[in-house]
Amino acid sequence: DIQMTQSPSSLSASIGDRVTITCRASQDISNYLAWYQQKPGKAPKLLIYYASTLQSGVPSRFSGSGSGTDFTLTISGLQTEDVAIYYCHEYSSAPPTFGQGTKVEIK
Amino acid sequence: EVQLLESGGGLVQPGGSLRLSCKASGFTFSTYAMSWVRQAPGKGLEWVSSLSPSASSTYYADSVKGRFTISRDNSRTTLSLQMSSLRAEDTAVYYCAKPVTLVRGGTVDAFDFWGQGTLVIVSS
Repeated sequence: DIQMTQSPSSLSASIGDRVTITCRASQDISNYLAWYQQKPGKAPKLLIYYASTLQSGVPSRFSGSGSGTDFTLTISGLQTEDVAIYYCHEYSSAPPTFGQGTKVEIK
Repeated sequence: EVQLLESGGGLVQPGGSLRLSCKASGFTFSTYAMSWVRQAPGKGLEWVSSLSPSASSTYYADSVKGRFTISRDNSRTTLSLQMSSLRAEDTAVYYCAKPVTLVRGGTVDAFDFWGQGTLVIVSS
């Protein structure tokens, strides 16, 4: 199985800051990577798929990059509503796997 | 509007069985592979199982293989997960999830719609 390692596990940033979360795959997954945002008590929400394709309706301050084994989710200008846990998800092969999550808080 | 509504969760004793259902609406259910993803309390996301549109192909996580069975009724737009020999480590919120639809056709195995989840607690 492919292992997905996210870093950091948590971060605290100020409103307006640029926030970067990384996800590393244990083997090449091309661009078969998605990012989700999950708020407490809610289902995950898709932000990005194919590593960099923004899901419809998602604010443009969210962006994704990377291919192969190293990927990044960037929030350009952190907002209060971005407080959540973020997960990466590789879907290059069965079984699909998720990163362990990154908790984003406001400083 | 796409909607996925899970039901069937509850408290069950170790070794017991439970059947989860996911009622889908707002899209052509019979043309999509569908999946179950779970989340243990305070933990991350774990893919559980997927089923092809015609139900001809099934996929399971090793942790549930031989104990869980995924199925679907396309006429009733319902996805199901029959869970047996339940263990404490199966305690989780179970979500059904739909893959992304590409504008140019086809799907992507990322999940653009999720149900609200149904909680399964395995405890004596």
